[in-house]
Amino acid sequence: DTGVSQDPRHKITKRGQNVTFRCDPISEHNRLYWYRQTLGQGPEFLTYFQNEAQLEKSRLLSDRFSAERPKGSFSTLEIQRTEQGDSAMYLCASSFGANEKLFFGSGTQLSVL
Amino acid sequence: GIQVEQSPPDLILQEGANSTLRCNFSDSVNNLQWFHQNPWGQLINLFYIPSGTKQNGRLSATTVATERYSLLYISSSQTTDSGVYFCAADTGFQKLVFGTGTRLLVSP
Repeated sequence: DTGVSQDPRHKITKRGQNVTFRCDPISEHNRLYWYRQTLGQGPEFLTYFQNEAQLEKSRLLSDRFSAERPKGSFSTLEIQRTEQGDSAMYLCASSFGANEKLFFGSGTQLSVL
Repeated sequence: GIQVEQSPPDLILQEGANSTLRCNFSDSVNNLQWFHQNPWGQLINLFYIPSGTKQNGRLSATTVATERYSLLYISSSQTTDSGVYFCAADTGFQKLVFGTGTRLLVSP
């Protein structure tokens, strides 16, 4: 059990550029979640997958955001045409199933200049 | 959706002191978890506790589901306990809603 892994740890980009983050969940976990956290706030839910199926997306996830989990293992979160308001910590989490303990990765800190 | 409120927002303790953090939620829950976010930003799951009481070393948690609150007890606090403590609740829609956290500073 190596924990939830996220890459990169930090990303600095210019406004208008596209960025992609990767998350590798704990291997036997079939649920994978993306959250976003801004300074001084708790994490906010973005979306979650059960295996490869994306089951829910938050209203926070505009059409510039897309997430995939192609083979039910790792997941990617892409932000197109980044805006300064997208600057935040993007957190990935996984769990063994519904209503189970959630385990978080270290996050990707995005700064949009 | 469910509302999650935490108190106090900030807490300063001397090493060795005990503390109680509170989490109130606005609806019945089937999932209530406590997390510690350390100064480097890592969120650590402390407890999965939709009801009842659990203990893990110096930490314990109690959730009274019928009265819609949960408590996190920290005994004999250490400087490494510093950080932000979050509770998060889910009413069955498979997404945890986090409170705004309690910021704890334990001084030596």
